[in-house]
Amino acid sequence: DIQMTQSPSSLPASLGERVTISCRASQGISNNLNWYQQKPDGTIKPLIYYTSNLQSGVPSRFSGSGSGTDYSLTISSLEPEDFAIYYCQQDASFPPTFGGGTKLELK
Amino acid sequence: QVQLKETGPDLVQLTQTLSITCTVSGFSLTTYSIHWVRQPPGKGLEWMGAMWNGGGTDYNSAFKSRLIISRDTSKSQVFLKMNSLQTDDTAKYFCARHYYSPFDYWGQGVMVTVSS
Repeated sequence: DIQMTQSPSSLPASLGERVTISCRASQGISNNLNWYQQKPDGTIKPLIYYTSNLQSGVPSRFSGSGSGTDYSLTISSLEPEDFAIYYCQQDASFPPTFGGGTKLELK
Repeated sequence: QVQLKETGPDLVQLTQTLSITCTVSGFSLTTYSIHWVRQPPGKGLEWMGAMWNGGGTDYNSAFKSRLIISRDTSKSQVFLKMNSLQTDDTAKYFCARHYYSPFDYWGQGVMVTVSS
């Protein structure tokens, strides 16, 4: 199975700040990388698919990039509703696997 | 609109069998696949298995020997059944919809505690 490693596991940040979350795959995944947001109430929604494509309805302050084994999610200016846990997920290879999560916290 | 809702027990006894139902609305199970993902308390997400739109199934090898996923398309329901539960099966269990990528709609999840 492909292992997905996210960093950092916890990220204190302030409103309006620009933040980046990293995700590294144990082998190349050819941009087959998705990002999800899990809110404090537990609900999960997709943010970005295939590295850099914004899911419908997701604000443009979210963006994704990367290639090969290294990928990142950037939020350009943090809003109050962005404080949540973020997960990357690969679907290049079966079974799909998730990163361990990054908890974005208010500083 | 698209909705997925998991229903199942809050508590399951050690070594017993877990049964959870995912009831969907707003789309057809013959068009979209349904996947099961679980999350132990305070931990990350783990993919368990899938019911494909054509009726086939796939399983994470970590569960393959004790997990069965089935469906009733007439009732828009997908079922997860897992036997020989242990305490480390305590988790929130989610169903999620999938077409190509990503998992685009998720249920709210059902929290299951395995008790001795």
